[in-house]
Amino acid sequence: DQQVKQNSPSLSVQEGRISILNCDYTNSMFDYFLWYKKYPAEGPTFLISISSIKDKNEDGRFTVFLNKSAKHLSLHIVPSQPGDSAVYFCAASEDYGGATNKLIFGTGTLLAVQP
Amino acid sequence: GAGVSQSPSNKVTEKGKDVELRCDPISGHTALYWYRQSLGQGLEFLIYFQGNSAPDKSGLPSDRFSAERTGGSVSTLTIQRTQQEDSAVYLCASSATGWDSNQPQHFGDGTRLSIL
Repeated sequence: DQQVKQNSPSLSVQEGRISILNCDYTNSMFDYFLWYKKYPAEGPTFLISISSIKDKNEDGRFTVFLNKSAKHLSLHIVPSQPGDSAVYFCAASEDYGGATNKLIFGTGTLLAVQP
Repeated sequence: GAGVSQSPSNKVTEKGKDVELRCDPISGHTALYWYRQSLGQGLEFLIYFQGNSAPDKSGLPSDRFSAERTGGSVSTLTIQRTQQEDSAVYLCASSATGWDSNQPQHFGDGTRLSIL
């Protein structure tokens, strides 16, 4: 049972336009969400996170939106750059401030930004 | 180094052999995690260490898998009697503390394990 779902395996956008990556989850106990970016043969790199008490978090070109009622989050990248081309993973954690925060990951979305 | 360091970066071994994978977390990070990524899949949680607390082993797929963390720093993941389905990239992550979910996990580049 996939608790975190990224239904788009790939996305292609033009340089300078907005990239929107989506993520859905099923576990209502998730209260902390993260986005990671991964290049081939490298480990995931942390991008941005959001806790369930917020609905938006922004860091430079990256903004994460959380819709708890829909169990949906999205990552917006604007403007998109060719260097943003990578696999993006959505991840969620259940135990805010608790004894463990193991992450549950989606299967990733491959973003290709065309020059 | 400043980041999470894993060794070896690649490991090829024959089915039935034991393997040990090593992780050096970021200095000062008290929480350490092991994940694995099989081909075409997302990252799968294996085990989590937080300070001196008993580790959360709930993600280990079988009793052939074990991990230890000595001195609250370096960790080794051991797979005994390897099987072909163990082939995957094994990723280690650390965070400043596992008690506050606002601390993101930072990953190493992983060990690519191939079982022949």
